[in-house]
Amino acid sequence: GAGVSQSPRYKVAKRGQDVALRCDPISGHVSLFWYQQALGQGPEFLTYFQNEAQLDKSGLPSDRFFAERPEGSVSTLKIQRTQQEDSAVYLCASSLGGRGNEQFFGPGTRLTVL
Amino acid sequence: RKEVEQDPGPFNVPEGATVAFNCTYSNSASQSFFWYRQDCRKEPKLLMSVYSSGNEDGRFTAQLNRASQYISLLIRDSKLSDSATYLCVEGDSNYQLIWGAGTKLIIKP
Repeated sequence: GAGVSQSPRYKVAKRGQDVALRCDPISGHVSLFWYQQALGQGPEFLTYFQNEAQLDKSGLPSDRFFAERPEGSVSTLKIQRTQQEDSAVYLCASSLGGRGNEQFFGPGTRLTVL
Repeated sequence: RKEVEQDPGPFNVPEGATVAFNCTYSNSASQSFFWYRQDCRKEPKLLMSVYSSGNEDGRFTAQLNRASQYISLLIRDSKLSDSATYLCVEGDSNYQLIWGAGTKLIIKP
């Protein structure tokens, strides 16, 4: 089925490298969310888009993190000058309406920073 | 600080038994609540929404207690396939979702 897809599924980066993570939401879904999930923890909110507008970026941990969704569909999460503490699974979710609606998750990108 | 608290477990339960777990939330103005299920190394998937009147879906029952600010999940006649981590989610007044760290459930044959 046409669920949320993310690429790459796995990424190994050297400390200091820049990475770009891609999310393809379900077609027609207005809202898109990025989360960071560390081992043994629940997802931590990073940022939220409604169509192409980034309405909330309060969860981005530093200015090294940047997200965009220029045409209101595909989104990219970019992490500059990666650090070891950035190692986590990055989950993308989309929903048909606002934040209160059911969110459908992609499989995640597992980022390991060496 | 916004928090959703869950017992991390693991809850080790024999197949066929009934198991229940709670989670507490901090914002009395929160409007929506959910239980998500997450299998190991997989993405979270919605199990059920939690309504004020409580709701039931097959073997699963969710309850909301606003006075004590907790939600609960009851699983009856547990199956081996119910083994997973169950994530409690609170949607606050700004509809930001706040996630618990999850309760790990292991169903044993």
